[in-house]
Amino acid sequence: EADIYQTPRYLVIGTGKKITLECSQTMGHDKMYWYQQDPGMELHLIHYSYGVNSTEKGDLSSESTVSRIRTEHFPLTLESARPSHTSQYLCASSEFGARDEKLFFGSGTQLSVL
Amino acid sequence: DQQVKQNSPSLSVQEGRISILNCDYTNSMFDYFLWYKKYPAEGPTFLISISSIKDKNEDGRFTVFLNKSAKHLSLHIVPSQPGDSAVYFCAAILRGTSYGKLTFGQGTILTVHP
Repeated sequence: EADIYQTPRYLVIGTGKKITLECSQTMGHDKMYWYQQDPGMELHLIHYSYGVNSTEKGDLSSESTVSRIRTEHFPLTLESARPSHTSQYLCASSEFGARDEKLFFGSGTQLSVL
Repeated sequence: DQQVKQNSPSLSVQEGRISILNCDYTNSMFDYFLWYKKYPAEGPTFLISISSIKDKNEDGRFTVFLNKSAKHLSLHIVPSQPGDSAVYFCAAILRGTSYGKLTFGQGTILTVHP
């Protein structure tokens, strides 16, 4: 069973605030990802990491930043939230070299910026 | 350019009948395909996958079919149950180069009526 946790589940915040979305996994996976998803749309990769101190931007441009100081932790930060950042943010992890390419997802954070 | 497309936003099926969810892709280099299931306010969970060297993979009530010449895959659920009601995403990847970066379709909302 996958063990990947995201907090908070829901966040309503005013424009201009700095926010950090937390993501932790206990599976020892090297690879971690952040996806963004709006209703009726595909999941877009915004950040990924192959290990500690490794971070890359994904296919969808995002104003958010990420860090990977510990294997199990992959937080996402928005320095100044705007209404256009309103979306669901999904964190995922996978095992490096796994043949099935299976991603394990957290429950997501639904962000609303007023 | 959307490389993975699910052209049916929604599907409604009677309990006990077959559900068929479709997915088309444009990148002939994709060599592995996955289906994920997502409930509202939760993260996607892995359902079933198929390698491009196969044309069918079965797991209980779920079967995925791959037609490489048509660049088309489908997910069959037999028999459908009310608990199957969810959003279903297909995803594709070119293994070995994309390092776990899945490309997702927009999702199809499946509703199974009792």
